[in-house]
Amino acid sequence: DIQMTQSPSSLSASVGDRVTITCRASQSISTYLHWYQQKPGKAPKLLIYAASNLQTGIPSRFGGSGTGTDFTLTISSLQPEDFATYYCQQSYNTPPTFGQGTKLEIK
Amino acid sequence: QVQLVESGGGVVQPGRSLRLSCGASGFIFSSYGMHWVRQAPGKGLEWVAVIWFDGINKFYADSVKGRFTISRDNSNNTLYLQMNSLRAEDTAVYFCARADGKGAVTRPLDYWGQGTPVTVSS
Repeated sequence: DIQMTQSPSSLSASVGDRVTITCRASQSISTYLHWYQQKPGKAPKLLIYAASNLQTGIPSRFGGSGTGTDFTLTISSLQPEDFATYYCQQSYNTPPTFGQGTKLEIK
Repeated sequence: QVQLVESGGGVVQPGRSLRLSCGASGFIFSSYGMHWVRQAPGKGLEWVAVIWFDGINKFYADSVKGRFTISRDNSNNTLYLQMNSLRAEDTAVYFCARADGKGAVTRPLDYWGQGTPVTVSS
């Protein structure tokens, strides 16, 4: 199975900050990498697909990049509603696997 | 609009069975692959199973292989997860999710249900 490792596991930031979350795959996955946001008690929401494509309806302050084994999710200017847990997921092969999550908290 | 609504969760004793359902609306259900993903209390997301749009291809996580069965009824727009020989470690919220396409495994999960909780305890 492909292991997905996110860093950091948790992050404190302030409204207006620029934040970057990293996801590393244990082998090359091309751009079969997606990012999800999950708020407590809610279902995950797709933010970015295929490494860098913004899902419909997602604000442009979210951005993704990377290919191969190293990927980043960037939030250009944090808004209050962005405090949540973020997961990366690879769909290069079966089983699909998720990172352990990055919890973004208010400083 | 796309809606996925899970049902069937509850409290069950170890070794018993449970069947989860996921009702779909707002899209052509028979054109999309579907997944089950679970989340244990306080933990991250764990993929469980996937079924192709036509129900022919299915894949499972090693942790549930041989115990869980994914199926679908395209005439009734419903996805199922039959869970047998349940263990304490199967305790989680179970989400159904739509794959963004027919080729279910390579696609992102673009819509998710709200989840149904399953607790396995004596």
